[in-house]
Amino acid sequence: AQSVTQPDIHITVSEGASLELRCNYSYGATPYLFWYVQSPGQGLQLLLKYFSGDTLVQGIKGFEAEFKRSQSSFNLRKPSVHWSDAAEYFCALNDYKLSFGAGTTVTVRA
Amino acid sequence: DVKVTQSSRYLVKRTGEKVFLECVQDMDHENMFWYRQDPGLGLRLIYFSYDVKMKEKGDIPEGYSVSREKKERFSLILESASTNQTSMYLCASSSTSLSTYNEQFFGPGTRLTVL
Repeated sequence: AQSVTQPDIHITVSEGASLELRCNYSYGATPYLFWYVQSPGQGLQLLLKYFSGDTLVQGIKGFEAEFKRSQSSFNLRKPSVHWSDAAEYFCALNDYKLSFGAGTTVTVRA
Repeated sequence: DVKVTQSSRYLVKRTGEKVFLECVQDMDHENMFWYRQDPGLGLRLIYFSYDVKMKEKGDIPEGYSVSREKKERFSLILESASTNQTSMYLCASSSTSLSTYNEQFFGPGTRLTVL
């Protein structure tokens, strides 16, 4: 069965510092992977997606993610965090339906 | 812009009431989904539909039903609301039939409280 694990429930980062959010998946074939962001009181917005090809994927808002098959990971990164990046982030895997991780809440301190 | 709208942002109902949550998308998407979101559990799929009048159970369908009479509209029904159905409900839609890679577009969510 497919599953997605986000090991970090909550991360606090200083504005301007780098950010990395971890995502591990379990799936028997080539996965289709997504990162979504949810700002307070909002729906989910797609940050980026991986289907195949280049393992480093660029997304919106300056985010990128790297697919590593050997580690079953799809970690999200941003070189310099802005206060507006405070949100909850979800990693998801798509077979015929999306399976979501439990989410990581990011707090940005000034 | 893809638009997925949900009928209410906040809803308060009493135990035993019948509750309807409505979702409308304006992109002519074939697929529509209902999720519930709870802290520490992420999003869990309740039901989805890949065509009018078609529905499939997701991971947690118990206590819920759905209706899709028109392509753009997907309704979630709580026949007899219970306190453990207090949650955030998110609707989503995507194009093509059961493609494994299509992006899902989400509505803003309905926060339902059952007293």
